[in-house]
Amino acid sequence: KAGVTQTPRYLIKTRGQQVTLSCSPISGHRSVSWYQQTPGQGLQFLFEYFSETQRNKGNFPGRFSGRQFSNSRSEMNVSTLELGDSALYLCASSLGQGAGRSYNEQFFGPGTRLTVL
Amino acid sequence: AQKVTQAQTEISVVEKEDVTLDCVYETRDTTYYLFWYKQPPSGELVFLIRRNSFDEQNEISGRYSWNFQKSTSSFNFTITASQVVDSAVYFCALSGVTDKLIFGTGTRLQVFP
Repeated sequence: KAGVTQTPRYLIKTRGQQVTLSCSPISGHRSVSWYQQTPGQGLQFLFEYFSETQRNKGNFPGRFSGRQFSNSRSEMNVSTLELGDSALYLCASSLGQGAGRSYNEQFFGPGTRLTVL
Repeated sequence: AQKVTQAQTEISVVEKEDVTLDCVYETRDTTYYLFWYKQPPSGELVFLIRRNSFDEQNEISGRYSWNFQKSTSSFNFTITASQVVDSAVYFCALSGVTDKLIFGTGTRLQVFP
């Protein structure tokens, strides 16, 4: 079974630009979560999508957005990039069952390393 | 609020030494899950273990063992007879009723030959 894939793996942008990162979950997984990892703030939760709906959201400005498609693939977008957005962006997928479920194991992708110049 | 504290920023040991990575958590949830992940230089987070709040049994998996103590809100991770391949950053994480993971700041483990 293929794991979580993220594209691109590396990206260099300049301040003010926007960027779109892609995540393909494990086949059959319906939930995709995004995390940002920086040396200063560590690993922080961005948002989670389940069945094309945002189910959970972290404390990030509106410049960070995401979406999920009917095939469960997800994209996250960062507009008006700032230097502080330089980070490793990790995507995780899980079965993501409905409310009242027990915990769903999350499987992480290799990440996209974004550098903002 | 939920919080995970890993007080050890970096640990260096020599191969074959035992090493314990500390993790202390805070949560008001009665049902919660605790995790350890390993992050090698490649960046991908590798799942090591999950415990739920109702299961305080310690667990051993090969050279790895975990000690979960609700009384002290701790979930410590011990590597016995460490190896160079164990060198990585290790993260402790907490999850409540949602799948959102709250991570600690990580402990960088360096194992020297």
